[in-house]
Amino acid sequence: DAKTTQPTSMDCAEGRAANLPCNHSTISGNEYVYWYRQIHSQGPQYIIHGLKNNETNEMASLIITEDRKSSTLILPHATLRDTAVYYCILWGSWGKFQFGAGTQVVVTP
Amino acid sequence: DVKVTQSSRYLVKRTGEKVFLECVQDMDHENMFWYRQDPGLGLRLIYFSYDVKMKEKGDIPEGYSVSREKKERFSLILESASTNQTSMYLCASSINSNQPQHFGDGTRLSIL
Repeated sequence: DAKTTQPTSMDCAEGRAANLPCNHSTISGNEYVYWYRQIHSQGPQYIIHGLKNNETNEMASLIITEDRKSSTLILPHATLRDTAVYYCILWGSWGKFQFGAGTQVVVTP
Repeated sequence: DVKVTQSSRYLVKRTGEKVFLECVQDMDHENMFWYRQDPGLGLRLIYFSYDVKMKEKGDIPEGYSVSREKKERFSLILESASTNQTSMYLCASSINSNQPQHFGDGTRLSIL
């Protein structure tokens, strides 16, 4: 009973921006939107998180809609090393940090 | 950068053995977590700890126990390993409940 919905897969050309959507229509007021990615055979890597406002760091930007029912992770200039499974997660209470199936992103030359 | 280190990347044990998985973090984080990751099931929380000697059950604690004697170290114990505990085990830590969890690279455990 994942609380987020993401596309199963998407392709992106190297050097282009990758826009990864996530729907979370049942988000609660105290829940943050977190994004992680997992490269094959490694542990999940934290990317970014936000509550209401858009956020940007050295890895990515996070755009959250005003009603907070969906968000988009933006990788501004995708590289081959960005090929990974990307997870959108809601977290607002202890221990309930549930990863869904995620989006398999393949960056092609 | 936060460093979460798991003692083994790959481990093979036999049914009935007692198995210890070790996790160490170097950032003085209060909270530590153990998950297992299985295809089609995502990550599932086994146990977590918010302080030394404190532990809380996650979603699937059966067959596991944990130990946190020091702040930086969180151990997962399989009391009597069974084949259905073959999985990827991931340890994570966070400063507090409102900050990101940082993960180790995982231990791929096979129980024969």
